[in-house]
Amino acid sequence: GQQVMQIPQYQHVQEGEDFTTYCNSSTTLSNIQWYKQRPGGHPVFLIQLVKSGEVKKQKRLTFQFGEAKKNSSLHITATQTTDVGTYFCAVHSNQAGTALIFGKGTTLSVSS
Amino acid sequence: SAVISQKPSRDICQRGTSLTIQCQVDSQVTMMFWYRQQPGQSLTLIATANQGSEATYESGFVIDKFPISRPNLTFSTLTVSNMSPEDSSIYLCSVARAGQGYTFGSGTRLTVV
Repeated sequence: GQQVMQIPQYQHVQEGEDFTTYCNSSTTLSNIQWYKQRPGGHPVFLIQLVKSGEVKKQKRLTFQFGEAKKNSSLHITATQTTDVGTYFCAVHSNQAGTALIFGKGTTLSVSS
Repeated sequence: SAVISQKPSRDICQRGTSLTIQCQVDSQVTMMFWYRQQPGQSLTLIATANQGSEATYESGFVIDKFPISRPNLTFSTLTVSNMSPEDSSIYLCSVARAGQGYTFGSGTRLTVV
């Protein structure tokens, strides 16, 4: 089935610093989704990328989908303490049809 | 996006017993998905539940251990049977909406003692 590798596993930054998490697949993806899970919470959908080379922005968050549709990144500019949480990329499993398979996630901590 | 009511939110259970988790969606959906998230880990898909047919289980998960019901298009249950401490985890249900990603229930935090 489909798998996606996500790095880094953890990142600690000072408030105001930038943060990036990366997801990589060995196969071409139809699309990729990103989720944020706050401590003690459940995953919340952030965005879906579909097109090769696509770049989408949500305020301080920038999402990119690689030209080959095998990798993606989430970049946060000037982190704030509210950005704390775990960021997951997710892709559709070939075996499970429309079900999502999640990367291992990157846990971001921010100190003020 | 869809609103999912999941309950119970948490429970502490004795080993050997069973717990049924319920998810109610505020609108009709074709598929519902059940995930497990162990502490500090990612989400692992347990099964996909379609209304009117048997659930489709992922490798490592079997119907006898995790029976699922899907009686209508807005409701599903997951039962964790014959529990052991290794079943301690967070269980989440989820539904998909085109273009809106997946919406998750608030999760059931299960502790087996």
